[in-house]
Amino acid sequence: DVKVTQSSRYLVKRTGEKVFLECVQDMDHENMFWYRQDPGLGLRLIYFSYDVKMKEKGDIPEGYSVSREKKERFSLILESASTNQTSMYLCASSVADRTTGELFFGEGSRLTVL
Amino acid sequence: GQNIDQPTEMTATEGAIVQINCTYQTSGFNGLFWYQQHAGEAPTFLSYNVLDGLEEKGRFSSFLSRSKGYSYLLLKELQMKDSASYLCVLMDSNYQLIWGAGTKLIIKP
Repeated sequence: DVKVTQSSRYLVKRTGEKVFLECVQDMDHENMFWYRQDPGLGLRLIYFSYDVKMKEKGDIPEGYSVSREKKERFSLILESASTNQTSMYLCASSVADRTTGELFFGEGSRLTVL
Repeated sequence: GQNIDQPTEMTATEGAIVQINCTYQTSGFNGLFWYQQHAGEAPTFLSYNVLDGLEEKGRFSSFLSRSKGYSYLLLKELQMKDSASYLCVLMDSNYQLIWGAGTKLIIKP
C-alpha cells in the first residue's frame, strides 16, 4: 500500500522554538509539496520540490524553509515558530508529470504554537 | 486572479442524491479536480475533468462547463460514510493547484 508518512500527528511548541516536520513517501515520486490547511480556507501551498535538492516557494513561504536531501524525504522547517503558524500541515507527493493533479497526502501534522 | 466558490455546508439524507456545486474564475485552465476529505484525515483524489461534460465513476459523477466556469460533484445512493468535506480544485495555466475551501457534507439517517 503506497504511503506518505508524516512524522508527528500532533505537536505543541512555544513561540520562538524551531520546529521540524518530516515527510517520507514510498512511491518514488519526483514531486513533493507542503500545504497548510486552516478553517474556512482552501489548502495553501508553502513550498514544493520537483527534484532532490530543488525547492520552490509556494504562495505563503514566509516564516518557513524546506529541505530535500533525498528523493523520498521532504522536510518543513519553522525557524522561529509564531502563534499564527498554528495550523494543520499536510505533505503530499505526485508523479513527475505536472499536468497530473492527483496528489497523495500524508495524514497531516497538527501544530499548536503557544 | 483565480477564485473558487462552493457552499460551506450541505445536508442530505442517506440513500438520496446530492449535488455539490463549484464555480470558479480563472485566466488559465488546465483541469478541475474533486477531492474528498474525512474529518481528521488526508484529502483523497476523486475525479478530474478537463473537457466539458460528465465523468462517471460508480456512485460519484463530476460535471464541467468551462464556458460557465462551473462544475458539480454528484453523489448518488448516499451512504453514511460519504459524510466528509468535498474540495473543488482548479489547475491553472501554470499547472498549479488552487484549492476551494471545501463543502462539508452531512448525511442524516
